[in-house]
Order: sequence, then structure tokens, then C-alpha cells
Amino acid sequence: GAVVSQHPSRVICKSGTSVKIECRSLDFQATTMFWYRQFPKQSLMLMATSNEGSKATYEQGVEKDKFLINHASLTLSTLTVTSAHPEDSSFYICSVYDGYNEKLFFGSGTQLSVL
Amino acid sequence: DQQVKQNSPSLSVQEGRISILNCDYTNSMFDYFLWYKKYPAEGPTFLISISSIKDKNEDGRFTVFLNKSAKHLSLHIVPSQPGDSAVYFCAASKNTGNQFYFGTGTSLTVIP
Repeated sequence: GAVVSQHPSRVICKSGTSVKIECRSLDFQATTMFWYRQFPKQSLMLMATSNEGSKATYEQGVEKDKFLINHASLTLSTLTVTSAHPEDSSFYICSVYDGYNEKLFFGSGTQLSVL
Repeated sequence: DQQVKQNSPSLSVQEGRISILNCDYTNSMFDYFLWYKKYPAEGPTFLISISSIKDKNEDGRFTVFLNKSAKHLSLHIVPSQPGDSAVYFCAASKNTGNQFYFGTGTSLTVIP
């Protein structure tokens, strides 16, 4: 299956700063990547679908100006949390869809803590 | 609107016994189901899947059962091992393919 690398694994930042999270598909050309968020003891919530070479599709209630997604190549998608606030503190996970095997493969996640 | 539900937030099982994790869904268009295992501060890892054309899929100690009429699936782990202790998510997708809906997860603890 696809190998997905996500970086950084943990980030602590001050309120008002921006944080960039990278998601790389190491062995698979991913035209589509997904960004999820998980709050403690809650489900994985899909934030947006990242499409290579075009604009991302955001789920209802997710602010596109706050969560900037760039999918410039078939192996890299980035999520930038702009002007982060404490309520943005969460576990962010990217995933790649392997259509041949019909599975999602996940990165290792990024724990964001905004002070 | 939670289309995939896992009503048991936690489950404790003695080592060697069977663990049964349950999942219910509301959307009859779902035709593909997966189970993922997740450790704290890590991304989920794929465990086992089942298509709606089947009612059972087995892989080693893991078996998934699907009851389409009841819109219910379950994951059986037997025998349970302490290393199985993790949060288990079920997920479902429609025939459009790549959008998955996740349950809220069940935290399994296998007691040695």
C-alpha cells in the first residue's frame, strides 16, 4: 500500500502564528489527498479534499481562508493553519486514496497545540 | 449528522478471549466498509475491509461481518492480545469511491 509521510509530528505555536503541515506520498502518485482533524475522543472529521493542480474542496463548516491547502504535485500536499488560535489545537491527519486497492492510507498525524 | 456510529466508546477484554467491536450505519448507499486501528498520536492503519457483496471477510485473527439488512457490521478479534489495545474506527464509503465516513471509535483494552 501507499506510504504516507507527514511532517511535523508535533508543533507548539503561539496564538496568531501560521503553521504549515506537509503530507508526502512516498511511493504513490496521489491526485487526491484528504485532510482530517481529530479532537480528543472524537471521530476523524474530513476537513477537505486536496486535488492536484486545482483548488481544494472543503467540507461544510471548514474555513478555506483559515485552512489553506496546496497540492502542487502528485506527491505533496500542504495544509497551512493561518493565524492559529487555541481552538485550532487538534490532531491533523492526511491520507491518500489508493483507488486500485480501494483503501485510504494515512500519515502519522500532526499534533498542533496553540498557546 | 453521524452516518457511521460506534455506540461503545470503550471495551475491555481478557487476553485470549474474543473482542467484538460493533458499528452501525444509516446510509443504504454505503457499499464498502473498512476497519482501522489507531494508537495515540499516530495515524490510523488499515486492518480489514469488506464489500457489500459479501457478508464475511477473514484475515488471520480478524473477521469482519456485515449485515446489510440491519446496516450493521462487526469486527471480531480472536484470540485477543495485549498488543491489540488501541482505538478501532470503522469507515464506510459509497460507490463513488474515495470519500470515507468514520465512526467515533471504540477504545479496546486487552487485559493480560
